[in-house]
Amino acid sequence: GAVVSQHPSWVICKSGTSVKIECRSLDFQATTMFWYRQFPKQSLMLMATSNEGSKATYEQGVEKDKFLINHASLTLSTLTVTSAHPEDSSFYICSASLIGINQPQHFGDGTRLSIL
Amino acid sequence: QKEVEQDPGPLSVPEGAIVSLNCTYSNSAFQYFMWYRQYSRKGPELLMYTYSSGNKEDGRFTAQVDKSSKYISLFIRDSQPSDSATYLCAMRGEGSGSRLTFGEGTQLTVNP
Repeated sequence: GAVVSQHPSWVICKSGTSVKIECRSLDFQATTMFWYRQFPKQSLMLMATSNEGSKATYEQGVEKDKFLINHASLTLSTLTVTSAHPEDSSFYICSASLIGINQPQHFGDGTRLSIL
Repeated sequence: QKEVEQDPGPLSVPEGAIVSLNCTYSNSAFQYFMWYRQYSRKGPELLMYTYSSGNKEDGRFTAQVDKSSKYISLFIRDSQPSDSATYLCAMRGEGSGSRLTFGEGTQLTVNP
């Protein structure tokens, strides 16, 4: 149980393109989903917390107009990297918590984004 | 000073060895403690989830939390080559919506 699916797993695109990444909780409903960014050999860096039906809460230093987050249902959150540039190349990972008190976060398998 | 300290390794052990991984932290508000395993180019996989101080065992894995010392450990018995991965400790306060604070991750290699 508690499977989180992320799509696509790998995307390569040209500079200036906008890229959408989907995060789905397959067998549970998630009020809250989280988006992380991870650089090689480093730990995860929280970008934003996404709550169903409301605006996402972004971490300091993360541009909300650059990284658009939509959490329209209890099983789907999307991250759109707008006008992506090479410095946006990274590993993006989402996670979701089951509805309920003090549930752990379960992670998707990540999306490797390469901007040429 | 980081809120969570974890030795990044790398740690290399022979197959069958007992592996000890640990993290220290400074925030006394942390109540929930997790260990995740992350294979290369994959997302973290939840291994252990514990609340407050105490021990928890699941198969070859044992998690220990000592809140008085602000110290958590993960033990892996009879380690296997398939255990080779990066192990991340993570912790948070109350509430499923609370943000996780991660350690840097320890890279483990189990040699056959």
